[in-house]
Amino acid sequence: DQQVKQNSPSLSVQEGRISILNCDYTNSMFDYFLWYKKYPAEGPTFLISISSIKDKNEDGRFTVFLNKSAKHLSLHIVPSQPGDSAVYFCAASPLTGGYQKVTFGTGTKLQVIP
Amino acid sequence: DAGVIQSPRHEVTEMGQEVTLRCKPISGHDYLFWYRQTMMRGLELLIYFNNNVPIDDSGMPEDRFSAKMPNASFSTLKIQPSEPRDSAVYFCASSQTPDRGRRDTQYFGPGTRLTVL
Repeated sequence: DQQVKQNSPSLSVQEGRISILNCDYTNSMFDYFLWYKKYPAEGPTFLISISSIKDKNEDGRFTVFLNKSAKHLSLHIVPSQPGDSAVYFCAASPLTGGYQKVTFGTGTKLQVIP
Repeated sequence: DAGVIQSPRHEVTEMGQEVTLRCKPISGHDYLFWYRQTMMRGLELLIYFNNNVPIDDSGMPEDRFSAKMPNASFSTLKIQPSEPRDSAVYFCASSQTPDRGRRDTQYFGPGTRLTVL
């Protein structure tokens, strides 16, 4: 039972264009959402997060959008760069029951083509 | 800080053998997590500790899996006996209790790639 779903296993984008990575969740108790980035042979690293009281959070080229009614979030990367090529994991944590218990999706592999 | 340290980085073993994965969290972090990454299920939380005490082990797949944290700077994940379906990348992560109203992020180690033949 995947509570956090990333339905696109891979995505290819031209350098300079926008990359949009999508994520859906099913658990209404999730109130904090994160994106992690993972390079081969390395552990995931934190990229950006958003609380459920917001619908947008921006950090440089990275913006996360949250649509609570649709239980959907997305990560936008503008402009995309070859160094952004990595696997991106969407993650969520609950308000109660152990906020440290983060649930991850299956990941989307982004390839930015020079 | 050196970050989260995991050993070994690669482990190849035969079915039925005992496997022990090791983790040293970032100094000062009071939470430690063990995850397993597979293509089908992504990153699954197996167990996490707070101040060396296991808090939630509901993700541990079977009794063949066990985890310990004897002190604040060391944890092990043991699989006994190992099976081919245990082949995956196992990550350890740590974090610290955030300030009130905030959520802290987890810092991951480089992972141990386990292959059970």
